[in-house]
Amino acid sequence: DIQVTQSPSSVSASIGDTVTITCWASQDISTSFAWYQQRPGQAPKLLIYAASNLGSGVPSRFSGSGSGTRFSLTINSLQPEDFAMYFCQQAHTFPLTFGGGTKVDI
Amino acid sequence: EVKLEQSGAEVKKAGESLRISCKGSGYIFASFWINWVRQVPGKGLEWLGRIDPADSHTNYNPSLQGHVTISADKSIFTAYLQWSGLKASDTATYYCVKDDSSGFYHEWGQGTPVTVSS
Repeated sequence: DIQVTQSPSSVSASIGDTVTITCWASQDISTSFAWYQQRPGQAPKLLIYAASNLGSGVPSRFSGSGSGTRFSLTINSLQPEDFAMYFCQQAHTFPLTFGGGTKVDI
Repeated sequence: EVKLEQSGAEVKKAGESLRISCKGSGYIFASFWINWVRQVPGKGLEWLGRIDPADSHTNYNPSLQGHVTISADKSIFTAYLQWSGLKASDTATYYCVKDDSSGFYHEWGQGTPVTVSS
């Protein structure tokens, strides 16, 4: 299986801050990578797919970058609704695998 | 509007059987794989497997070692996840996810919480 390592596991931030979350895949997966946001009690929501493409209806303050084995999610100008859990996922090889998650809180 | 409607929360005892469901609407059900993903309380996400409703072809996460079965009935636009012998470690929320074969999950069901007591 392809292992996905996500860091940090939690980050404290304030409204208006910029936050960056990073994931590493255990092997080259090109750009077969996605990011999800999960608010408490809700299903995950796709933010970024194919490493850098914005999901439907996702604000432009979210951006993704990377290829190969290293990927990043950046949230610019944090808004109150952005305080949530964030997961990364490799979509290159079955079984599809996820990172352990990052909690963004105040 | 694409919608995946999942069955309600379940409380079971270890060793019991269970089948949960996921009904798709707003799209051609047989044209898209349905995946199942679980989330243990307070933990991360794990891909369990997927099914092609057109022909019921399935792929499973090898880590499950046959513990779950995924099926579908395209005539009623519904996919299923079932267990024949639940374990306490199956306690989790289970999500069905529509997949366009890219592996990127654009649409999710609302989740079915399953609690298994020992």
